[in-house]
This record gives sequence, C-alpha cells and structure tokens, in this order.
Amino acid sequence: DVKVTQSSRYLVKRTGEKVFLECVQDMDHENMFWYRQDPGLGLRLIYFSYDVKMKEKGDIPEGYSVSREKKERFSLILESASTNQTSMYLCASSLGNRDRSTDTQYFGPGTRLTVL
Amino acid sequence: AQKITQTQPGMFVQEKEAVTLDCTYDTSDPSYGLFWYKQPSSGEMIFLIYQGSYDQQNATEGRYSLNFQKARKSANLVISASQLGDSAMYFCAMREVYQFYFGTGTSLTVIP
Repeated sequence: DVKVTQSSRYLVKRTGEKVFLECVQDMDHENMFWYRQDPGLGLRLIYFSYDVKMKEKGDIPEGYSVSREKKERFSLILESASTNQTSMYLCASSLGNRDRSTDTQYFGPGTRLTVL
Repeated sequence: AQKITQTQPGMFVQEKEAVTLDCTYDTSDPSYGLFWYKQPSSGEMIFLIYQGSYDQQNATEGRYSLNFQKARKSANLVISASQLGDSAMYFCAMREVYQFYFGTGTSLTVIP
C-alpha cells in the first residue's frame, strides 16, 4: 500500500513565522504535490514536483515555496505566515506513468494549519 | 472554464439505496484520467476509482462504479447499497498532463 505521511495533523503558528510542512512517501513515486483546501473552493494546487530538485508552480504559489532534495520528501514552506494562509494542506504523490490516464494520486492525512 | 464541475453541493440517500454523484469535465487532451475520491470528516482523501479516457468499459470497484459517457464528458460515480460509513465529501478529479484538477465536491449524507 502507498503511504504518504505529513509531519503534523494540526499546527498553530503566529503571523510572520516561517512554517515548514513536511511530506514523505514510501513508494518511490516520481511526482509530488501540495494542495490547500478551503470550504467551497475545493482543492487548489500550490506547487508540484516531478523529479528531485524540480518544481513547478501550481495555481496559487504566492506566499509559498517548496523544496525537494530527496525523492521521497517534499516540503512546503511559508516564508512569513499570514492569517489568510489558515487552511487544510494536503500532500499527494503519484507514480508518474507515461500513461497519464492511469497515474493515480495518493494523499496524506492533511495538516490543518491555523495562523493567528 | 472549469475543468471539473460537480453541480450537487449536497445529497441525501437512504441506507441500502443506490446514489449517483454527478461530474462533468472539460479537456481537449485525448489522453486523460478521471478519478473519484472520498473525504470523510477526518480529512484524508481516499482514492476510490479511476477511469482512463481510452477504457471502453465503465470502471467498477466493489460498490463503486463510474458511469463514463465520453461524448457527454461526464463521469458520474454510482454507489450501490449505501452504508452509513459512506457519509462524506466526494471529489471528482481529472488528470491532464502533469496536473490534477478537482471539483468542489459533493457532500453525501446517508440516512438510516
């Protein structure tokens, strides 16, 4: 079974703090993704990575950065947290098949971040 | 334009009955995948079922089936014999190139 883990289920930070959200997958997947989920807005892609040290901006990258130094680990960084970054953050990974139609994403349990 | 549209914000179904959750998609890519995920109140997104754009037959996984109508660009999820544990948010998603696109979800409540 694919296992995607995230460093925290719940996190409370103060405005202006630097925040690190860690994600680890154990299935040698090529692709990793960070989303945020807000009520009524569904999932929105922040960043994704299709290889070590590679990253691509998603739909809402402003205020975030990412790091992928090892294949199994993908970190999301909030350089200076703001209250509008209070949200549920979901990490996902996928094998990265050439056949895009079968490349399934598997998700971690999510981190509920509150910025005060 | 929205890539994935789920028009039912909330649905109710009687226990043991079948329910259909609607999903339409928009793409010009001939190769794509369609997925359904379940998100219970705990927050984790659980993969349920997928359908490839070239698959001739509708996908099935246990009580879940995907009603794929390519010409209409729809990929509805059918849950048979609903159970109380099926109460959750359900998201339709599509994979296109490197990105996945998600709908806004349907909240399903199973009534005893």
